[in-house]
Amino acid sequence: DAMVIQNPRYQVTQFGKPVTLSCSQTLNHNVMYWYQQKSSQAPKLLFHYYDKDFNNEADTPDNFQSRRPNTSFCFLDIRSPGLGDAAMYLCATSRDRGARNTQYFGPGTRLTVL
Amino acid sequence: AQKITQTQPGMFVQEKEAVTLDCTYDTSDQSYGLFWYKQPSSGEMIFLIYQGSYDEQNATEGRYSLNFQKARKSANLVISASQLGDSAMYFCAMREGPLLQGGYNKLIFGAGTRLAVHP
Repeated sequence: DAMVIQNPRYQVTQFGKPVTLSCSQTLNHNVMYWYQQKSSQAPKLLFHYYDKDFNNEADTPDNFQSRRPNTSFCFLDIRSPGLGDAAMYLCATSRDRGARNTQYFGPGTRLTVL
Repeated sequence: AQKITQTQPGMFVQEKEAVTLDCTYDTSDQSYGLFWYKQPSSGEMIFLIYQGSYDEQNATEGRYSLNFQKARKSANLVISASQLGDSAMYFCAMREGPLLQGGYNKLIFGAGTRLAVHP
């Protein structure tokens, strides 16, 4: 059974049109992460939630926001997508943030911006 | 400074043969975790294996084993009896221990190695 679920798997949006990507987990993990991955690159951490505590990476554009209404769900909002935001968006979870905590990833949402 | 180095952009192996994917890391922390992930063309990042810095035994998970050489700061992934389904991108990653002042350390990825398994 899938433990980290992302919807939709593929999303097409227009330049400047807000879009929301969804992630849910059945692991009851404390931490949920959002990564952006462009072609042939390693994933880049955008931000994460440690329980209800939001932690933004310094180089994450303001265009990207996130919400975590409860333990199971986390959303990525892109307020005004640009062509450069076309990428794979990966959600991940971990029990805690220590060195020994494995991050489990969802299948990703591939975003296309027209 | 780059903390995770994967020197092999691409590798190929014959089906049923073993293959080693290289990974070296750089840290001054005593406590850290090393991870390998597989990413097929579908895009999902699949966790394969974990090695803790204090673990004395090399980690193994089925056909995957991690050749951990702490003094050399290397954590190579060995895949035995390669299968066609092993063709994918493989990422080595490291996470250092908690910061003294609180806060967190990110999971740091290498650039990845693309493995092709030939029949």
